[in-house]
Amino acid sequence: DQQVKQNSPSLSVQEGRISILNCDYTNSMFDYFLWYKKYPAEGPTFLISISSIKDKNEDGRFTVFLNKSAKHLSLHIVPSQPGDSAVYFCAAKKRNTGNQFYFGTGTSLTVIP
Amino acid sequence: KAGVTQTPRYLIKTRGQQVTLSCSPISGHRSVSWYQQTPGQGLQFLFEYFSETQRNKGNFPGRFSGRQFSNSRSEMNVSTLELGDSALYLCASSPLGNQPQHFGDGTRLSIL
Repeated sequence: DQQVKQNSPSLSVQEGRISILNCDYTNSMFDYFLWYKKYPAEGPTFLISISSIKDKNEDGRFTVFLNKSAKHLSLHIVPSQPGDSAVYFCAAKKRNTGNQFYFGTGTSLTVIP
Repeated sequence: KAGVTQTPRYLIKTRGQQVTLSCSPISGHRSVSWYQQTPGQGLQFLFEYFSETQRNKGNFPGRFSGRQFSNSRSEMNVSTLELGDSALYLCASSPLGNQPQHFGDGTRLSIL
């Protein structure tokens, strides 16, 4: 039962352009969302988070948007850089459930120089 | 600040054996979670420990168990290993509340 879904296994973007990674979830009880970046042979690295009381959060080149009515999350990277090439995971957790996160299957982003 | 440390990095076992993986969290982090990553499956939650108590458990068989010590270090044990247990096992630590988890680099377990 995949409660967090990333339907695009891969994405290619030209350097300098915008990368948009999407994530859908099914459980309306999710109230905290994270994006992670993962390079091969390394653990996931935290990028940015958003709470369900917000619809947008920015951190430098990274912006996360949350559409609760559509149960949809997106990560925007502007401008994209070759070093951004990695696998990106979204994750979500329910209110008052400690740190039991549900992860998507990941989107592999390739930024072409 | 030291990150999450997992040992060993690589492990090869045969079916039927058991294995213990170790995780040292970031100093001050009391929550430690374990995940299994297999190709195409993303990260699957195994369990979370907080203050030496299992706080959450994912949908894995009882062969998968864990514990947490008073210094917040955690171990995960898998008994009667099966071929399907071959995976990357990731440990993550975090402080209290809605805070992001920080991951170690994982232990790559291969079952022959």
